[in-house]
Amino acid sequence: AQTVTQSQPEMSVQEAETVTLSCTYDTSESDYYLFWYKQPPSRQMILVIRQEAYKQQNATENRFSVNFQKAAKSFSLKISDSQLGDAAMYFCAYRSFIGGSNYKLTFGKGTLLTVNP
Amino acid sequence: DAGVTQSPTHLIKTRGQQVTLRCSPISGHKSVSWYQQVLGQGPQFIFQYYEKEERGRGNFPDRFSARQFPNYSSELNVNALLLGDSALYLCASTSPLQGYTFGSGTRLTVV
Repeated sequence: AQTVTQSQPEMSVQEAETVTLSCTYDTSESDYYLFWYKQPPSRQMILVIRQEAYKQQNATENRFSVNFQKAAKSFSLKISDSQLGDAAMYFCAYRSFIGGSNYKLTFGKGTLLTVNP
Repeated sequence: DAGVTQSPTHLIKTRGQQVTLRCSPISGHKSVSWYQQVLGQGPQFIFQYYEKEERGRGNFPDRFSARQFPNYSSELNVNALLLGDSALYLCASTSPLQGYTFGSGTRLTVV
């Protein structure tokens, strides 16, 4: 079974600085998707960025980028120029195949990010 | 466009009671999945439905059931509630292009 591990329960960063959140996963599949989700106090899971395993190029979305190391099964999220609105719980997730053309997400336990003014 | 709508937003139930949670997916999305998020943990997969059929089930007891209607909305039912069922229940609608879009969840408290 796939597992996702986030080893940093909490992280803090100064406004305008850069922070990196760590994620490792375990899988025997060769093709898969990885995601980072943000969950603010409003509770809604918001997609931050996604990475397809067969793509060697790391995904980037504005101030958010990933460092995807497939052999090491590592998928870290870098937030540049941190803003107060980035404060939230961040979840790493792995999409696994469950049959037919159907999938499920397996989430890590999350990292609570605090942004200090 | 409306996002994923879940109702109710909050709910308090007594142990042993039954609860029904509702989810309306994004228009055009035919797949709905349910996740349970216990406080301090990441969401855990409960069910996935596509075209009104169950396509996947997580490691949850038979007290948990769901269904999907012809308009692709979905209900999650939990019978014989336990204190441990207290959690945020998230619904996500899925499309091949847009991936997963989550609702804001239903906060269930069992007392």
